[in-house]
Amino acid sequence: RKEVEQDPGPFNVPEGATVAFNCTYSNSASQSFFWYRQDCRKEPKLLMSVYSSGNEDGRFTAQLNRASQYISLLIRDSKLSDSATYLCVVNYDDYKLSFGAGTTVTVRA
Amino acid sequence: GAVVSQHPSWVICKSGTSVKIECRSLDFQATTMFWYRQFPKQSLMLMATSNEGSKATYEQGVEKDKFLINHASLTLSTLTVTSAHPEDSSFYICSARINLNTEAFFGQGTRLTVV
Repeated sequence: RKEVEQDPGPFNVPEGATVAFNCTYSNSASQSFFWYRQDCRKEPKLLMSVYSSGNEDGRFTAQLNRASQYISLLIRDSKLSDSATYLCVVNYDDYKLSFGAGTTVTVRA
Repeated sequence: GAVVSQHPSWVICKSGTSVKIECRSLDFQATTMFWYRQFPKQSLMLMATSNEGSKATYEQGVEKDKFLINHASLTLSTLTVTSAHPEDSSFYICSARINLNTEAFFGQGTRLTVV
């Protein structure tokens, strides 16, 4: 079983739409959770950390459900520039990060 | 935010040659750096953890004699792909964290093509 699993998508949505997707993780001892964004042929860049109480950053909202071991990302009012692959990242073994394979989002005009 | 710089961004080499990739933390000291490999449409896979002043820790299945890691200073780690073969062609990315509870900062990645 993979440590971090994501729906690969792709999610094709029109501009202005809301899109949401989840990620599940297998290690119940994981303490840190992140969403990264990766554009084609580029390095991942931090989108937001995910906190236990859930957090919001502009149009992006992240939630953590420890009981069910999943985190989610919701994007409101999608922009063309939101088109990217979103990586779910989870801490494990104290300091290592485990990456999901990514969820591809394509926002169309 | 913290910056990690990786060089070169792309390289094409002949089969059998060696390629060195550098990873530098520009505005913080990194006693630990991480090397990943990413194949198309796949997740980043941790290859090894680079430790300043000591041997790197390799993940299962990663050949330490093929992927040589040197962490000579608090701001520089290098990965050398020795005797490269076409199957080593991939996107190699390094990262570093200010501390082990914060997010990872990534280098720009190195796209290696072995012909």
